[in-house]
Amino acid sequence: AAGVIQSPRHLIKEKRETATLKCYPIPRHDTVYWYQQGPGQDPQFLISFYEKMQSDKGSIPDRFSAQQFSDYHSELNMSSLELGDSALYFCASSLDTAEQYFGPGTRLTVT
Amino acid sequence: AQSVTQLGSHVSVSEGALVLLRCNYSSSVPPYLFWYVQYPNQGLQLLLKYTTGATLVKGINGFEAEFKKSETSFHLTKPSAHMSDAAEYFCAVTSKRGTDKLIFGTGTRLQVFP
Repeated sequence: AAGVIQSPRHLIKEKRETATLKCYPIPRHDTVYWYQQGPGQDPQFLISFYEKMQSDKGSIPDRFSAQQFSDYHSELNMSSLELGDSALYFCASSLDTAEQYFGPGTRLTVT
Repeated sequence: AQSVTQLGSHVSVSEGALVLLRCNYSSSVPPYLFWYVQYPNQGLQLLLKYTTGATLVKGINGFEAEFKKSETSFHLTKPSAHMSDAAEYFCAVTSKRGTDKLIFGTGTRLQVFP
């Protein structure tokens, strides 16, 4: 069965640079979620999209933005990167249910 | 508002012993509850979920959990631990609306000793 795809899997950036993370949800899933997991921490909700519209927003910095495109893939754009942005970024998708399927994550390292 | 509390950030058991990971939730609406497992440097894998119906839920790898509304608990158990069970376990809650975010607990690291 198709799973959630995230790219890249690993990303190394320097402070003040920009990063773009991509998420391809399971086909026909209409909701995409982004979570951030810092080292040794639990995943924290950033933002979600339902049918290409932002549906909820969590503790996402103003330096971050995201969108969902017509093909339902989503991108998380991160600007003016800080050391504290180093984390594992997960994308999840769902279809009309509360069950979310997670991708393998993108590990972002800011140096 | 919803929240999850996982009691014990670290749990150690011997191989073959009972595993019990505790999770208590707080929710102003009927909750959906989940347990996820995360192996080192990997993503989140769904172990089991409670949505409606039977309160005893069986999941993968021999794990099960029981939803107890009166105790606002959703503890995870496994009768006999295996070395491969060593991982981080997260309890999570969301609402029944279907598009709500997951609220995670702080996680419990399970160690299994031979």
